[in-house]
Amino acid sequence: DSGVTQTPKHLITATGQRVTLRCSPRSGDLSVYWYQQSLDQGLQFLIQYYNGEERAKGNILERFSAQQFPDLHSELNLSSLELGDSALYFCASSVYPGGSTSTDTQYFGPGTRLTVL
Amino acid sequence: LAKTTQPISMDSYEGQEVNITCSHNNIATNDYITWYQQFPSQGPRFIIQGYKTKVTNEVASLFIPADRKSSTLSLPRVSLSDTAVYYCLVRPIVLVYNFNKFYFGSGTKLNVKP
Repeated sequence: DSGVTQTPKHLITATGQRVTLRCSPRSGDLSVYWYQQSLDQGLQFLIQYYNGEERAKGNILERFSAQQFPDLHSELNLSSLELGDSALYFCASSVYPGGSTSTDTQYFGPGTRLTVL
Repeated sequence: LAKTTQPISMDSYEGQEVNITCSHNNIATNDYITWYQQFPSQGPRFIIQGYKTKVTNEVASLFIPADRKSSTLSLPRVSLSDTAVYYCLVRPIVLVYNFNKFYFGSGTKLNVKP
């Protein structure tokens, strides 16, 4: 158990819909990262937040957005869903803002499996 | 951005030592090398990280030659439970405003047989 929690575990929805994935980081961790993992794309970095502020952006679509709240939990919002958005979505957390020290290890949650029908 | 190249898959037997090599020819001076393990439908789990020479922990060893263009993850005496995908990740020390700096690659699927 990494200490990172994600809800829901599974999500089934239809094309065109909007969903929200939730992540609670490990106690004491200030950074949250979101990743998408699909069968043909591998593990893709989406976005990183540190203490409520966006810090780094990866391959995140404009239909996707995220935020980190004052209590440090984060939500990933996916809208106008397409079949290709079906994937595992992982959240990770770390102590530091993005690597100012070599010990900035990311701890991953169990993931949310999104199925778009 | 330093991309990585790993073998797609490897087979081994229980009790053997397994070495997985990762190539990262464009590694930068401020890049660290990190390895993660991932079981099906689970999040990746940190294994080991290093900058140069050799790093060892209770799970694995990481060997990095002087030119740092490659690294080798060594798993001693693997068991069936070590069957997983192993990712080599090259990441810079300072990531503020550095986009797309978390590149996991496709990983190496290790299959441990009895």
